[in-house]
Amino acid sequence: KAGVTQTPRYLIKTRGQQVTLSCSPISGHRSVSWYQQTPGQGLQFLFEYFSETQRNKGNFPGRFSGRQFSNSRSEMNVSTLELGDSALYLCASSLAPGDNGNTIYFGEGSWLTVV
Amino acid sequence: AQSVTQLDSQVPVFEEAPVELRCNYSSSVSVYLFWYVQYPNQGLQLLLKYLSGSTLVKGINGFEAEFNKSQTSFHLRKPSVHISDTAEYFCAVSFFSGGYNKLIFGAGTRLAVHP
Repeated sequence: KAGVTQTPRYLIKTRGQQVTLSCSPISGHRSVSWYQQTPGQGLQFLFEYFSETQRNKGNFPGRFSGRQFSNSRSEMNVSTLELGDSALYLCASSLAPGDNGNTIYFGEGSWLTVV
Repeated sequence: AQSVTQLDSQVPVFEEAPVELRCNYSSSVSVYLFWYVQYPNQGLQLLLKYLSGSTLVKGINGFEAEFNKSQTSFHLRKPSVHISDTAEYFCAVSFFSGGYNKLIFGAGTRLAVHP
């Protein structure tokens, strides 16, 4: 079955603009999480959604937001872009949360460059 | 609090040589353990996981890892590497708390396989 699908794969934005990234989870997966990856900070957790509700949030400013739709697809938005937002944004999906070693699967990522 | 330490930031090795990538973790709760691989310009791919049972787990591409609870380690090994194994490898721990699954990554180990 298809893996986690992220669009767009690459994009360039100007400082001050806003961007929306999209993620389609693996079929049957209802939990979606987002990570930011940069050379300096490594992999950092942004937020997680389940049943259209944000369940957990990382330490990022309010410019970073997300949402999940009834079909489990998710979007994340970054407003008022800064140069430091240039990163690889990874979406991941898993089954419903639970204490069962819930494996998280990642997409190919969206490369965002802010100029 | 939970943390993951990958003891080597870079590991150079010659083709067909064995390799071990080291990972130690710290946790006050039971965790599940994962290794992910990231090839250049790609997302994260699951290599293997330890949930329970046998402490030696086998993954894709000939990799295996051994869970050592007393030493809180989960080292990744491959008996003979190929050029195509050149990538960044991430160790991660997952735990269920507060109604959600959280995944904590190490800083990554860059494996460089030379001919």
